[in-house]
Amino acid sequence: AQSVTQPDIHITVSEGASLELRCNYSYGATPYLFWYVQSPGQGLQLLLKYFSGDTLVQGIKGFEAEFKRSQSSFNLRKPSVHWSDAAEYFCAVAGRRALTFGSGTRLQVQP
Amino acid sequence: NAGVTQTPKFQVLKTGQSMTLQCAQDMNHEYMSWYRQDPGMGLRLIHYSVGAGITDQGEVPNGYNVSRSTTEDFPLRLLSAAPSQTSVYFCASSPRGGSYNEQFFGPGTRLTVL
Repeated sequence: AQSVTQPDIHITVSEGASLELRCNYSYGATPYLFWYVQSPGQGLQLLLKYFSGDTLVQGIKGFEAEFKRSQSSFNLRKPSVHWSDAAEYFCAVAGRRALTFGSGTRLQVQP
Repeated sequence: NAGVTQTPKFQVLKTGQSMTLQCAQDMNHEYMSWYRQDPGMGLRLIHYSVGAGITDQGEVPNGYNVSRSTTEDFPLRLLSAAPSQTSVYFCASSPRGGSYNEQFFGPGTRLTVL
């Protein structure tokens, strides 16, 4: 069965600092991978997705993610964090029936 | 387009009560799904539908029923509410291709069962 692990429950970074959120997946075939962001009290919004091709994918709000098959990872990065990036971030892998989500990483941004 | 809408936004039930969470989308999406979100557990799939008249169970279906009589609507029914069903419920939709496509999420319903 597919699974997603996000090892960091909570991360705090200073505004302007770089960010990397970790995601490891388990899936038998070539995965369809996603990063979603959830602002407080809101639904989830897609940041970016990987289906195939270039292993570095660009998303909205200046985010990018790199797919590394050898490490079963799909880490999310941003070179300079803004206060408005404070939110919860979910990595997910698509299966035949539905998405399987990680448990999420809550990002706090310090001024 | 309103996107995916959910009602109510908040609900408090007593154990044993029943209720229906409403979900509607105006994007003509074939695929719709219901997730519940619990702290530290991410989102877990309850039920999903690949089109009108077709539904199937997800990871945590017990205690919930769904139906899909139209493309637009996908209500979730709690038959006899239990405290374990206290959660935030999200409805999502996507075009043909189901989970392999971008999911569009509603704003959620926060349910408390006393």
